[in-house]
Amino acid sequence: GQQVMQIPQYQHVQEGEDFTTYCNSSTTLSNIQWYKQRPGGHPVFLIQLVKSGEVKKQKRLTFQFGEAKKNSSLHITATQTTDVGTYFCAGLENQGGKLIFGQGTELSVKP
Amino acid sequence: KAGVTQTPRYLIKTRGQQVTLSCSPISGHRSVSWYQQTPGQGLQFLFEYFSETQRNKGNFPGRFSGRQFSNSRSEMNVSTLELGDSALYLCASTPLGGFSSSTDTQYFGPGTRLTVL
Repeated sequence: GQQVMQIPQYQHVQEGEDFTTYCNSSTTLSNIQWYKQRPGGHPVFLIQLVKSGEVKKQKRLTFQFGEAKKNSSLHITATQTTDVGTYFCAGLENQGGKLIFGQGTELSVKP
Repeated sequence: KAGVTQTPRYLIKTRGQQVTLSCSPISGHRSVSWYQQTPGQGLQFLFEYFSETQRNKGNFPGRFSGRQFSNSRSEMNVSTLELGDSALYLCASTPLGGFSSSTDTQYFGPGTRLTVL
């Protein structure tokens, strides 16, 4: 079945460093969503990308959707301790309508 | 507006028992999805309900079932519990067409932490 691979699994950074997580799908996606889950919490929606090559920004966060709509990335500039958590991508299948989550990237930020 | 609520928040059961989890979506949301989250497997889609009909189903055995009521509240049932069913079960609601629509997003509840002994 369709898979969404997300790397890296873990990332430890010093506060102020940048961070990037990548998602890659085996098939073309209808859209891709990004979520953040704080330790002990539940996933919280960050953003949705729909168009091929789309780039969206939220303050220090930049989200990209690949031209082929099979990959995506989340980049955080100058990380802060408040960025700690696990970031998940979730791709919506083109056919069937299932939302497939990546395994998540757990970000830790050292002050 | 109140968020997605799930009850109970914590549950301890033994192998062979069955369990029913409840989810109340955000008022006005018609689609409810269920996920299982474990450290090893991550977030896995169980099923989605829209207007009392199951619209999508993940790759889980028939022991996992669900339903949705006319007020959009949803329940999930797991029969003959196994140790491997220990997980955080998350419910998410979407306002309009469900996540099958390209413009809808999901709002997650706090989850039910199920432990099977």
